[in-house]
Amino acid sequence: EAAVTQSPRSKVAVTGGKVTLSCHQTNNHDYMYWYRQDTGHGLRLIHYSYVADSTEKGDIPDGYKASRPSQENFSLILELASLSQTAVYFCASSERSSNERLFFGHGTKLSVL
Amino acid sequence: AQKVIQVWSTASRQEGEELTLDCSYETSQVLYHLFWYKHLLSGEMVFLIRQMSSSTAKERSGRYSVVFQKSLKSISLVISALQPDDSGKYFCALWELQTGGYKVVFGSGTRLLVSP
Repeated sequence: EAAVTQSPRSKVAVTGGKVTLSCHQTNNHDYMYWYRQDTGHGLRLIHYSYVADSTEKGDIPDGYKASRPSQENFSLILELASLSQTAVYFCASSERSSNERLFFGHGTKLSVL
Repeated sequence: AQKVIQVWSTASRQEGEELTLDCSYETSQVLYHLFWYKHLLSGEMVFLIRQMSSSTAKERSGRYSVVFQKSLKSISLVISALQPDDSGKYFCALWELQTGGYKVVFGSGTRLLVSP
């Protein structure tokens, strides 16, 4: 079974502070994704990447940066955290092939105060 | 505009009953895939079943099956013989190829409660 590990599992941040969420996968998957989950909105795609050293904007990229320094690691960066970024963040990965499912991490609960 | 729509935000059933969760989607692609996932209370997202746009087969996996109406851009998840452990949030997801690679877009989910 694919392993996607997120850290931290939860975090409390202050408004205006910098937050980095990390994701690590051990299955040589090409694609990695960052989603946020909010009540009533389901999962919304923030950034994704299909190769190391390259990232793509998802549907709600504003206020977030992403970094894919290696195939295994994909980070989500909030340079200036805001209250509206309080959410649960999920990282996911998948193979290159077109009909492969996503493997999710357990999520990171971020609270911005 | 939302590309994947799950109209019902909540549903409740009794143990042993059958449930159909509806999902509609928008895409201009010829080739796409649809997935159903379950979000557990533990936080884990679990893959349930997949439907390829090119397939006419009625996909089934254990107690899960789908009703795929391609012309209507609709896919429903059917869960038979419901158990209390089926309680959780169910998400429909659309995979489609974009310029920057393929993207997977989720609906807002339907929370299911199954009572003993």
